[in-house]
Amino acid sequence: GQSLEQPSEVTAVEGAIVQINCTYQTSGFYGLSWYQQHDGGAPTFLSYNALDGLEETGRFSSFLSRSDSYGYLLLQELQMKDSASYFCAAYGQNFVFGPGTRLSVLP
Amino acid sequence: NAGVMQNPRHLVRRRGQEARLRCSPVKGHSHVYWYRQLPEEGLKFMVYLQKENIIDESGMPKERFSAEFPKEGPSILRIQQVVRGDSAAYFCASSPEKGKSPLHFGNGTRLTVT
Repeated sequence: GQSLEQPSEVTAVEGAIVQINCTYQTSGFYGLSWYQQHDGGAPTFLSYNALDGLEETGRFSSFLSRSDSYGYLLLQELQMKDSASYFCAAYGQNFVFGPGTRLSVLP
Repeated sequence: NAGVMQNPRHLVRRRGQEARLRCSPVKGHSHVYWYRQLPEEGLKFMVYLQKENIIDESGMPKERFSAEFPKEGPSILRIQQVVRGDSAAYFCASSPEKGKSPLHFGNGTRLTVT
């Protein structure tokens, strides 16, 4: 089977840096991806790691370690609009999503 | 290019009725995924289809639920004899190839069973 774990909630202040971790168990693993979802909205793609290491896209970075079945999303210079749920997703036999981490950014 | 189009956006059904949810993937995308989401919860995988074929339906209940992705036309998720527990947001996503491309999500269909 496939399963992913991530923290349920994270709180940080504007301008801070926050890291959201994700551990996974899956068969036929291709890579790990991250999605953002605002309340009432659709999930939107943030990043994808197929290889070990860090991928940087603006204020967001994502890391993958295949040997540890672990990845994280790093959000820098937090803004109020970053308050949302963040999901890691393992690409394997199909796309399976983690339970989501609700990020609250405080002023 | 239009993104993933789902309709209807909101659907209300009485218990025992049928619900049909439609999803038109991004043009050129042949891989379609359906997910179900309850309030404050994650995205639960239901079914993965590639044109005319069901690849993985391990997340879809065996009874009352079915999905198709015909050669022509949108993908359809069909729920027969709906019950209150079927009330949820149903999201469709598409990708051009398996495993290497991000998923493009539609805005979802909010199903309410009264």
